[in-house]
Amino acid sequence: DAKTTQPTSMDCAEGRAANLPCNHSTISGNEYVYWYRQIHSQGPQYIIHGLKNNETNEMASLIITEDRKSSTLILPHATLRDTAVYYCIVRVGGYGGSQGNLIFGKGTKLSVKP
Amino acid sequence: ETGVTQSPTHLIKTRGQQVTLRCSSQSGHNTVSWYQQALGQGPQFIFQYYREEENGRGNFPPRFSGLQFPNYSSELNVNALELDDSALYLCASSRLATSGSYNEQFFGPGTRLTVL
Repeated sequence: DAKTTQPTSMDCAEGRAANLPCNHSTISGNEYVYWYRQIHSQGPQYIIHGLKNNETNEMASLIITEDRKSSTLILPHATLRDTAVYYCIVRVGGYGGSQGNLIFGKGTKLSVKP
Repeated sequence: ETGVTQSPTHLIKTRGQQVTLRCSSQSGHNTVSWYQQALGQGPQFIFQYYREEENGRGNFPPRFSGLQFPNYSSELNVNALELDDSALYLCASSRLATSGSYNEQFFGPGTRLTVL
């Protein structure tokens, strides 16, 4: 089972920041927080990941609380093309076997509106 | 850099038949994972291949099997198809380093399988 809890859906106005929350209260010390998104009928796309520090890349920012029990993915200027299902996943920091694989929940359906 | 590709795009089979799906991994990647995504659900992990051997498996029956080839491409085989096997099948490639650490997984566009 997925170890994360996300809202089922969210709306965001085009050009505004989209803040997607994720709860992972049972996260272990060696587990990373990963974010993927899936645009309709396509394969999931990697966005960003982090362990305990905040991270930023060209797509998004990831804010992880100090106790690591929750995080927020921020899309700073949402566009219509950001409409997708966003998955928050916790995962052991990479070793062989099933530990290295992704356990998806149902994610958050983000709708960006004009 | 070549991305992950999958074939075919769509496939229709009847119950009881067998199917083979194919995946070419991204350049430089040595690990392939397969996922099943039913309508309205998140992807579910089937298994992973590394160095041509199964390297982890999810909760799927033995009629789901796979192969990985020396060029790191992979096949997913499903025997005795059931109606519930209708889904989007995704493969993802990644690189498992000798240290045991992974990079992130990159997904292909998927194969839509319909079982009638």
